[in-house]
Amino acid sequence: GENVEQHPSTLSVQEGDSAVIKCTYSDSASNYFPWYKQELGKRPQLIIDIRSNVGEKKDQRIAVTLNKTAKHFSLHITETQPEDSAVYFCAASMNTGFQKLVFGTGTRLLVSP
Amino acid sequence: DAGVIQSPRHEVTEMGQEVTLRCKPISGHDYLFWYRQTMMRGLELLIYFNNNVPIDDSGMPEDRFSAKMPNASFSTLKIQPSEPRDSAVYFCASKGGGQGHEQYFGPGTRLTVT
Repeated sequence: GENVEQHPSTLSVQEGDSAVIKCTYSDSASNYFPWYKQELGKRPQLIIDIRSNVGEKKDQRIAVTLNKTAKHFSLHITETQPEDSAVYFCAASMNTGFQKLVFGTGTRLLVSP
Repeated sequence: DAGVIQSPRHEVTEMGQEVTLRCKPISGHDYLFWYRQTMMRGLELLIYFNNNVPIDDSGMPEDRFSAKMPNASFSTLKIQPSEPRDSAVYFCASKGGGQGHEQYFGPGTRLTVT
């Protein structure tokens, strides 16, 4: 089955810096890659996603890039703010309707003021 | 809409007891998922339903775990008998059909088995 690896496990940056989180997946049939943000004690929430027919997607300060050949995708956060501090999870899916998600192990991002 | 509703929010029980977790998905959503989150294993999919029918239960750890969805607005995850290693946060999530792919998570149930 699909396996998703995520790095780094923790990431500390200064406010205003950029943050990059990387994930690799094992199954070339995977075609949907969402990113979820989980604040301490709260539920995971989708922040951005990308499908395999797209190489990059942006939403304000957040962007995701996908390299299908290398089977890896990355989350980029620019101009980080303290409220970006959270655990970020990548995931991959190969279902037709993208139902079954396999999650990475998470990256704890700490943005210091 | 109130979002996905889970109850109880916290459950503390003794080893060997039966535990039942409950979930009400977002109205109109036809997919429902049960996840388990632990520090060691991260976020794991246990089982998911489509139109109240279990589609994939390959993530259910063992026979002590069972899940049902008797109607479109209610699902349960039962552990019998419970063990300390079942301690985790259990999330329910739901998703609509069509073009929408986002899974909406509930607030979770923190289970502690002593």
